[in-house]
Parts: sequence; structure tokens; C-alpha cells
Amino acid sequence: AAGVIQSPRHLIKEKRETATLKCYPIPRHDTVYWYQQGPGQDPQFLISFYEKMQSDKGSIPDRFSAQQFSDYHSELNMSSLELGDSALYFCASSQEGGGSRNEQFFGPGTRLTVL
Amino acid sequence: SQQGEEDPQALSIQEGENATMNCSYKTSINNLQWYRQNSGRGLVHLILIRSNEREKHSGRLRVTLDTSKKSSSLLITASRAADTASYFCATDGRGTGRRALTFGSGTRLQVQP
Repeated sequence: AAGVIQSPRHLIKEKRETATLKCYPIPRHDTVYWYQQGPGQDPQFLISFYEKMQSDKGSIPDRFSAQQFSDYHSELNMSSLELGDSALYFCASSQEGGGSRNEQFFGPGTRLTVL
Repeated sequence: SQQGEEDPQALSIQEGENATMNCSYKTSINNLQWYRQNSGRGLVHLILIRSNEREKHSGRLRVTLDTSKKSSSLLITASRAADTASYFCATDGRGTGRRALTFGSGTRLQVQP
């Protein structure tokens, strides 16, 4: 079965640079969630999109922005990177329509290292 | 974690033994999900239990949910070395209407061969 695809899998950036992470949800899934997991921590919700519209916002810094495109893939744009942004970034997708159970399936993550 | 704690934080057992992990949460929920994460890798969805369910099975996994105590447990029977991983519970918020997941702090399970 198709899973959530994230690219790149690893990314190394310098402080103050920008980064773009991509997420391709499971086919027919209409909702994408972004989570950040720092070293030794549990995942924290950043932002979500349903049918290409932002549906919820968590602890996402103002330096970050995201969007969902017409093909349902999503991109997380990160600017003015800081050392503390080094983390695993996960994308999850689910099918929201029809009273779904909100079963979220996660991608393999992008490991971002800021030097 | 903002949602709750998992207990124990770390667990070491021998192959063949059962492993029980507990999770507590603070707000009303629609569902509770359990995930496994191998070191530094992706989160693998294990099982979802709805707020109106009390117990659910999937292979060697058994999940219970007690909404009156706001707690859940994950039992892995006949553990294998390959079960070594961190296990997280995650909830969405019925009271807040938030569908994003809030994770517990995780239990690191080590299964000794």
C-alpha cells in the first residue's frame, strides 16, 4: 500500500538559511499534518491543511509557513533557520471526510540539521 | 508532554515476555492511537481505539482504554527483539475539536534476545 512520502530525507543547512520540506500524502487522503520532533522529545503539532486550506495551527514559529497544493501535496517553508530548528519533521495524512476516525499515517520524516 | 505521561519511561524485558505500557491524558478525546518509532525513524501506526471502546486487539497487541481514568495501556505479548522501539500514545481533542494529535512522552522498550 502507498505510504506518505517525504523529501528530502536528510537536510543540512547553515544558520539563517532557508529550507523547504515536501510531503506527498497517501492517495485520496485530503488532510496533511506537520509535526516537529526534537531530540529525545515527543512530536509536536505545527500546522494542518484540509482540502488545501489551513485547518489548524499549533506551535509553528512565524519564520515557518506551509501550504497544500491542488494535488494535495504540502510544503513546509522554513526561513532564518536557527540551531534549535534541528529536528525530525514529520508529515502525516488522513482522510477527514465522512466522519473518519482521524487515523493519521506518518511519513518517514525529514531530518533537518542546522549548523 | 502537554497531554500526559507514559509509564514507564523505559522498559527492558527478555524475549518471550509480555510488555505493558501505560498512557495518561488530560482532555476529552475522540480516539487514542498508539505508534511505534524505531530510533530516529518514522512513526508507525499500530492501533486506534475509539473513545466508546474499552479494548481492542491486533495480532500480539492489546489496547485498553479507560475514559473515566483518562488512561490507556498497550500490551505486547510474546515480545521479540524486533519490538525494541519507543512507543507513543496520541490523542485528538474532543473538547477542543482539534484533530491534530497530542503525543505522550513515550516508553522506550528494549527486548533482550
